[in-house]
Amino acid sequence: AQSVTQLGSHVSVSEGALVLLRCNYSSSVPPYLFWYVQYPNQGLQLLLKYTTGATLVKGINGFEAEFKKSETSFHLTKPSAHMSDAAEYFCAVSDGRPGRRALTFGSGTRLQVQP
Amino acid sequence: KAGVTQTPRYLIKTRGQQVTLSCSPISGHRSVSWYQQTPGQGLQFLFEYFSETQRNKGNFPGRFSGRQFSNSRSEMNVSTLELGDSALYLCASSKGAGTGVDTQYFGPGTRLTVL
Repeated sequence: AQSVTQLGSHVSVSEGALVLLRCNYSSSVPPYLFWYVQYPNQGLQLLLKYTTGATLVKGINGFEAEFKKSETSFHLTKPSAHMSDAAEYFCAVSDGRPGRRALTFGSGTRLQVQP
Repeated sequence: KAGVTQTPRYLIKTRGQQVTLSCSPISGHRSVSWYQQTPGQGLQFLFEYFSETQRNKGNFPGRFSGRQFSNSRSEMNVSTLELGDSALYLCASSKGAGTGVDTQYFGPGTRLTVL
């Protein structure tokens, strides 16, 4: 079984400040990890994903995440927040076996960016 | 390349009615997955279809069903609607073949309100 925990349902930062959204996972098989973003009244947009190989993954809009197996973490960061980053962010895990690749999501973190 | 499309975008139904939602995947994608998003339960996996066959199923009652057509388009049906079925229903498409990571791309969702 897989699970995802996102610490902090709400995070507020000032424009220009560092963004850090936390994600810890549990998986009985080597995980594939994803971050998605959801803007109001929209679907989910893929920010980045970890499959294998390099543990530091770069995504769209200046976001990146680091896979740390020893800590079972996949935290999302961005050096400088923009107002347009205000949205809800979801961390998700899946495995690679056909028929078992359903995404298991965390409960989400709402990011607020203050001017 | 066109993204995932879902119709309709908004629906209002009354308890006891049934509803059908439609999803057209990205061209070339053969897998369609459905998720339910509610404030209380978050994002939950409903089922996945691949090559017209249900390949995986989440923990939802039999009132929730789906199907996939030969062109990979998928429909989801909910019968005997309950108030708790009010949610955003998200469709995701992916290539679906092989093993390993199978990145899912989401549509904008259908907002279902049950009165």
